[in-house]
Amino acid sequence: AQSVSQHNHHVILSEAASLELGCNYSYGGTVNLFWYVQYPGQHLQLLLKYFSGDPLVKGIKGFEAEFIKSKFSFNLRKPSVQWSDTAEYFCAVNGDTDKLIFGTGTRLQVFP
Amino acid sequence: GAVVSQHPSWVICKSGTSVKIECRSLDFQATTMFWYRQFPKQSLMLMATSNEGSKATYEQGVEKDKFLINHASLTLSTLTVTSAHPEDSSFYICSADPGNGHEQFFGPGTRLTVL
Repeated sequence: AQSVSQHNHHVILSEAASLELGCNYSYGGTVNLFWYVQYPGQHLQLLLKYFSGDPLVKGIKGFEAEFIKSKFSFNLRKPSVQWSDTAEYFCAVNGDTDKLIFGTGTRLQVFP
Repeated sequence: GAVVSQHPSWVICKSGTSVKIECRSLDFQATTMFWYRQFPKQSLMLMATSNEGSKATYEQGVEKDKFLINHASLTLSTLTVTSAHPEDSSFYICSADPGNGHEQFFGPGTRLTVL
């Protein structure tokens, strides 16, 4: 069965700090990988996605993620966070079905 | 493009009543819609997959008689929580797949509080 783990449950950073959120998945076949963001009081928004091709994926708002197949990882990065990046971040995977399996989420707090 | 709406955005009801939540894809057709439940500070748990014109597929542990799903058209799916109880209080989120099999677009969610 597919599963997704996010190791960082709560991350606190100061503005301009660099960010890396871990995501590992468990699935033996071809996967599609996603990072979603949920700002306070808002709905889930897609940050970026990986289907195939270049394993370094660039998304919105300066975020990027790297798919490392050998490590079953899809970590999210941003070189310099802003206060407005305060949100909940979810990694998600789907394999041979359309079902999205979500990680438990990482709460990011950025202080000015 | 790719906007999904939910109605209502929040609802409070008495224990034992039924509540219907609508999910609409506003600018695309969705053969498949998904219903999730999100507990406070937790992740989204898939409840069921709703396919237009056929019965929904429920995830293990989800009571199909409790959570009735209807996907009557390519732009509308409804979730009815029947005989709601306080433990059904949660944030219910739908998503819609425009058909490329890869990306889902999420609605804003419906917060259900059962007194």
